[in-house]
Amino acid sequence: DTAVSQTPKYLVTQMGNDKSIKCEQNLGHDTMYWYKQDSKKFLKIMFSYNNKELIINETVPNRFSPKSPDKAHLNLHINSLELGDSAVYFCASSPHPLGGTTYEQYFGPGTRLTVT
Amino acid sequence: QKEVEQDPGPLSVPEGAIVSLNCTYSNSAFQYFMWYRQYSRKGPELLMYTYSSGNKEDGRFTAQVDKSSKYISLFIRDSQPSDSATYLCAMSARNTGTASKLTFGTGTRLQVTL
Repeated sequence: DTAVSQTPKYLVTQMGNDKSIKCEQNLGHDTMYWYKQDSKKFLKIMFSYNNKELIINETVPNRFSPKSPDKAHLNLHINSLELGDSAVYFCASSPHPLGGTTYEQYFGPGTRLTVT
Repeated sequence: QKEVEQDPGPLSVPEGAIVSLNCTYSNSAFQYFMWYRQYSRKGPELLMYTYSSGNKEDGRFTAQVDKSSKYISLFIRDSQPSDSATYLCAMSARNTGTASKLTFGTGTRLQVTL
């Protein structure tokens, strides 16, 4: 019974390609996030959606475009991949403030992206 | 200077030792403090959170916050090999609205040896 799942787990691709990562949560949470973790383990927020609405958009190149078809899914599409995009991308979700706390974020297993 | 500083380690301790993990921060707007544990090739999992200065205990884990010094700690008592992981501190300026922007430290890698 996976709470937050991501596909694919590993993604190896060449520079210039376009790729997507999918995330799904079955926790009934309202808020979902995308994080990037670099090779030094530094975890940085990229985007957050609440009930399909974008609410956090950090300084991320516009080659990255999140999409939330419904509140249980948040996908990340990356255009024109660059070497510097190589990292582990984590999806996370958190409950509505009335039902919990939004810093109680539950992370998926990550997608390891390697751009060659 | 990063908003949150954390010694990357690695920190190696024998089984049964008391472990002290620390973070310092510069943003005085941070009010909520969390510790996440991340096993190799896994996502971070929330261990503890607190929003006030002082200590909070949960089993073998104690979280300590000193807002005046902008310093937080996580203590692990009777450490076990299963505690071997990377420990990430995280902070948030506030917890209102529908999302929290967490600022993470770089993580401290802990190894508990038999």
